[in-house]
Amino acid sequence: AQKITQTQPGMFVQEKEAVTLDCTYDTSDQSYGLFWYKQPSSGEMIFLIYQGSYDEQNATEGRYSLNFQKARKSANLVISASQLGDSAMYFCAMREGIPLRFGAGTRLTVKP
Amino acid sequence: GAVVSQHPSWVICKSGTSVKIECRSLDFQATTMFWYRQFPKQSLMLMATSNEGSKATYEQGVEKDKFLINHASLTLSTLTVTSAHPEDSSFYICSARVYTSNQPQHFGDGTRLSIL
Repeated sequence: AQKITQTQPGMFVQEKEAVTLDCTYDTSDQSYGLFWYKQPSSGEMIFLIYQGSYDEQNATEGRYSLNFQKARKSANLVISASQLGDSAMYFCAMREGIPLRFGAGTRLTVKP
Repeated sequence: GAVVSQHPSWVICKSGTSVKIECRSLDFQATTMFWYRQFPKQSLMLMATSNEGSKATYEQGVEKDKFLINHASLTLSTLTVTSAHPEDSSFYICSARVYTSNQPQHFGDGTRLSIL
């Protein structure tokens, strides 16, 4: 069964505005990690942000922040002040145990 | 730091050929490496997890005799697609991590495999 769910196949945002990409997950583990990666059309996977299940504060990395709601099992990515270079696929991923497993992804398009 | 190099970037070959893809961690020792497969417009699907010096653990549905994985050292893992056919055409991405729970996996740039 799919454990990481990204319900938005595609999203559009105006340049300089903020956008939220949704991610929900399912796990019975108490210890797990949540990650967001960006994949431009060239294919490389770029790590954006990490949230541990025991972290009490939401993670932030520059323009990226993670809205972590543990009880709801959601880990939404917020990108502030969108730039044209943010247009890409965005994958939410979860680690329980060893390997990362990915959601289906959301294609973000930033409009000028 | 934490660079993963994957080679080759592109492979085009005839059906029936075996293809080897290399994945190297350049500036760290990777206790565990991972191989993913990605079809166009789809997500990354984990194929296998390999630990240095031991046999790889394959995901359900992945043919271990088709996709041979060798992790001979802490900096090198290889994926060999044996007797490749057109349906094996895909984007293959390797990944590596140091064994600490909050560290991200570092990814290679991927290999686009096209079987004619």
